[in-house]
Amino acid sequence: EAQVTQNPRYLITVTGKKLTVTCSQNMNHEYMSWYRQDPGLGLRQIYYSMNVEVTDKGDVPEGYKVSRKEKRNFPLILESPSPNQTSLYFCASSFSVGADTQYFGPGTRLTVL
Amino acid sequence: DQQVKQNSPSLSVQEGRISILNCDYTNSMFDYFLWYKKYPAEGPTFLISISSIKDKNEDGRFTVFLNKSAKHLSLHIVPSQPGDSAVYFCAAIGDSTNAGKSTFGDGTTLTVKP
Repeated sequence: EAQVTQNPRYLITVTGKKLTVTCSQNMNHEYMSWYRQDPGLGLRQIYYSMNVEVTDKGDVPEGYKVSRKEKRNFPLILESPSPNQTSLYFCASSFSVGADTQYFGPGTRLTVL
Repeated sequence: DQQVKQNSPSLSVQEGRISILNCDYTNSMFDYFLWYKKYPAEGPTFLISISSIKDKNEDGRFTVFLNKSAKHLSLHIVPSQPGDSAVYFCAAIGDSTNAGKSTFGDGTTLTVKP
């Protein structure tokens, strides 16, 4: 089944404790992206990757890191999480950028205390 | 400055009638516009898209209209069904300097009453 998977789905952590949210797709997509969604707001793009080893900042990259060492995986790293990073995170992928459908993962709900 | 805006947080329509969801944007360089639908506890799912060089795209009950001069697009759902009740996001993709950027509106919650 074609899908985007994220792990963990739920995470409660404390300020400053490094964490990684994994994202994996099995559709051989070139483009992958991370978003956060806060209450009452739309999705805001954190980082995106047009291909392996190519990453770019979205609108809200501060406090986040990403890497794209292989096509299928695009982990999101929070080196020193803070309470303002409490949010719902979505990973997405598509064959290319543009009219191509972005397939979204189920989301990761992160709480930073 | 929010580049993509959905000014109506919610919309309620009767089953069988037309639903019209609106979206305004400020950046005339966007290449594509897409509509996504989101149910609670799930990721968004793609509905329909339109290129900036077109003014209409249709897929079954869903039609998207693009008015470039007004920087406005709308999603029409005809006829509306109770299963269409969800949050709808408008998204704009790319521009001349950032082909990979995606900008989303804040969403409109559609409720279709039986």
